[in-house]
Formats: sequence, C-alpha cells, structure tokens
Amino acid sequence: GEDVEQSLFLSVREGDSSVINCTYTDSSSTYLYWYKQEPGAGLQLLTYIFSNMDMKQDQRLTVLLNKKDKHLSLRIADTQTGDSAIYFCAENQAGTALIFGKGTTLSVSS
Amino acid sequence: DTGVSQNPRHKITKRGQNVTFRCDPISEHNRLYWYRQTLGQGPEFLTYFQNEAQLEKSRLLSDRFSAERPKGSFSTLEIQRTEQGDSAMYLCASSFREGRTGYEQYFGPGTRLTVT
Repeated sequence: GEDVEQSLFLSVREGDSSVINCTYTDSSSTYLYWYKQEPGAGLQLLTYIFSNMDMKQDQRLTVLLNKKDKHLSLRIADTQTGDSAIYFCAENQAGTALIFGKGTTLSVSS
Repeated sequence: DTGVSQNPRHKITKRGQNVTFRCDPISEHNRLYWYRQTLGQGPEFLTYFQNEAQLEKSRLLSDRFSAERPKGSFSTLEIQRTEQGDSAMYLCASSFREGRTGYEQYFGPGTRLTVT
C-alpha cells in the first residue's frame, strides 16, 4: 500500500539551514505537501508542490522533488527557534485523502 | 475567513459512552475531511465529503463511527460505545478547488478525546 517515510528527529543551531527529507511509494501521487504542527495544535499547511515540478521556493522554504526516486525535501533557510515543531510530509491525488508520514521533530537551539 | 473550527476542543468520556464532535469548515469549501492522530503518529484518514455526499471511508472507520454533513456545511463525527483505543486527536480539514490549486487541505485545531 501507500507509504510515506520520514526521519524522526533533526537538531540544528539557530541561523543554520535545516533539511527535512521524505520518501513516498505511490507513483500516482500528484501533490506533495509539507505541514507544520506545534505542540497541542492542528496542522499548518506550509507549502505544496505539483508532481510535474522539480522545485518550489517560498520565502525561507525550498521544496525539492525527485520524482524518479520518489524523494521530497524541505529546506528551511536561516532556521529560527520559532521553527521548532513537528514537520509532516503528505501526498495525495487531487482532493483525495492525504497520506502522512510519522513526522520529523525539528529542534532548534540558540 | 476564520479558518476551520472544531468543538469541543477537549472531551473526556467513560468507556461505553457516545460522543459527538462538530467541525465547521472554511466557508465556501466544498470538501471536508476527518482524520485521527495518536501520539507520535501522523494523521490517519477516516472519511471525507464533497458537499453532502460521503465519498470515501477508511477501513479504520469501524461501525461504531458515523459522520454526517447534512447541508453541505458543518459536519459531525459520532463515536458510539467508546473504547479506550478511541483516545486520540480528531482533526477536521476542508478544501476547495479554484483555478490551478489542488484542493489544499486546511486543518482545524482538533478535538482531543480521552476515554477513561
């Protein structure tokens, strides 16, 4: 079945870049997403990319997609303490159920 | 636009009781989704609606779970005869396709259910 895998933890220093990686198995995925979840809160949509794109940049966020390897990454430039949260990778076909990874906990130290 | 809202935010109930949660989507969003999230896991899909029609249900959704969206606006999720394994955060999301957007799903704050 469909599966989304992420590394569980990432620790960086304030001001460094963070790179969170994700792999997925469903080759029919058309949209790939990154969500952020802070403690006790719902999920905040950060950015998404269509499967026919290789890269998308949005302020400090850069998403890279390697469709051949089914690999997605999220780069956060100039990471701040406020970026500490759990980041979820998710995929779907348009409008259908999202399949989520287990999330990567990003810890930013000052 | 006030975003997706969910009520109640927290619910504590005894095993065997019935509970009902409500979700109000972003106005004009025609799709509404329910997910369940347990500690240390990503959200798992339960069901979704387009307007009033329930288009898909997960195999996770046992017979004790029922969801409705009677007028194509708010939705309710009912769990009958709750079990301790139902303890989780229940998340609602809504979406709308416009132009070249792809039905991005926007989530509410969730309802945390504790079954004692």
